[in-house]
Amino acid sequence: EAQVTQNPRYLITVTGKKLTVTCSQNMNHEYMSWYRQDPGLGLRQIYYSMNVEVTDKGDVPEGYKVSRKEKRNFPLILESPSPNQTSLYFCASSFQVGETQYFGPGTRLLVL
Amino acid sequence: GENVEQHPSTLSVQEGDSAVIKCTYSDSASNYFPWYKQELGKRPQLIIDIRSNVGEKKDQRIAVTLNKTAKHFSLHITETQPEDSAVYFCAASPSGGSYIPTFGRGTSLIVHP
Repeated sequence: EAQVTQNPRYLITVTGKKLTVTCSQNMNHEYMSWYRQDPGLGLRQIYYSMNVEVTDKGDVPEGYKVSRKEKRNFPLILESPSPNQTSLYFCASSFQVGETQYFGPGTRLLVL
Repeated sequence: GENVEQHPSTLSVQEGDSAVIKCTYSDSASNYFPWYKQELGKRPQLIIDIRSNVGEKKDQRIAVTLNKTAKHFSLHITETQPEDSAVYFCAASPSGGSYIPTFGRGTSLIVHP
């Protein structure tokens, strides 16, 4: 089944404790991205990747890191999480830029 | 950068009525305009999209129109049903440059039986 998966789905952590949210797709998509969704603000892109080893900042990259060592995986790293990073995070992938994006199930993060 | 405005933020209709959601964008380089539906607690899913070389596209009860000159595009849902209740997001993607799609803030559609 073609899909985008994320783990974990729910995470409660404390300020400053490094965490990684994994994202994987099995559709051989080149383009992958991370979004955060906050009430009343819609979806804002954090980082995106055009292909392996090619990543770039989105609209709200501060406090986040990503890597794209393999085509299927695009982890999101929070080196030192802060409460303002409490949000719902979605990973998405598409065959190419400007094509239909397929979203993962979301990761709800709470930073205390 | 791109700026996408979406209206209304909330839309309440009776079952069987039509619903229209409008978005405007600022960057004339944008050429791909998808619409996503997000049901409560679920992920956004594409329902329809349109490219800048087309003025209108239909898929059963859903249609999207695009006016490139005025830089606005709209989602039309006819014969609404309770299962259409969800948050709808529009987005605009450029053909080059930063490749960052910009989303509207969403419209919460409520269809009353």
